Amino acid sequence: AQKVTQVQTEISVVEKEDVTLDCVYETRDTTYYLFWYKQPPSGELVFLIRRNSFDEQNEISGRYSWNFQKSTSSFNFTITASQVVDSAVYFCALSEASRGSYIPTFGRGTSLIVHP
Amino acid sequence: SQTIHQWPATLVQPVGSPLSLECTVEGTSNPNLYWYRQAAGRGLQLLFYSVGIGQISSEVPQNLSASRPQDRQFILSSKKLLLSDSGFYLCAWKGDGHNEQFFGPGTRLTVL
Repeated sequence: AQKVTQVQTEISVVEKEDVTLDCVYETRDTTYYLFWYKQPPSGELVFLIRRNSFDEQNEISGRYSWNFQKSTSSFNFTITASQVVDSAVYFCALSEASRGSYIPTFGRGTSLIVHP
Repeated sequence: SQTIHQWPATLVQPVGSPLSLECTVEGTSNPNLYWYRQAAGRGLQLLFYSVGIGQISSEVPQNLSASRPQDRQFILSSKKLLLSDSGFYLCAWKGDGHNEQFFGPGTRLTVL
């Protein structure tokens, strides 16, 4: 069975600090997909990134970067020079190719609070 | 481009009343559609998903039902609401060629 663990329930930082959100997953599939979503106070989940299990290359998008390591089953998300607008709940998710309809399992989320 | 709509945005209903939440997707065809509920505490619970018109799979047996009368329309219903049905309901879609889901703005339901 697939499982996603986000051990950090809440993180509080001051603006301009760097922050890393941890995500650890479990799966028996060799083909799977990892995702990060952002949920601002408005409530809508915003898709940030997808990573395929066969592509361990890290990715950077502006102030966001993602570190995918199969050896430790982790897919961590780093925000550099955090801003108040980054305050949100962030979800990590996993879907297995063997499970029909690509139904992801979501972690319980990490609430990030960025203080001015 | 694709967009997903949900309505109403907020709803306050008495216990025992019926419910109908609607979700529609534009700009794509034959999407997979999903209903999630998010109670206080943030966890996302998958309620139903559909891979085509009239095809509904239920993940958690409960007081709710879902229907897909048209390709891009997904409806969440209840005949009699319970207090425990309160929460934030999110609809999502997934199209061919990618594995990520895209979410609608959500409906915040309060049952009194």
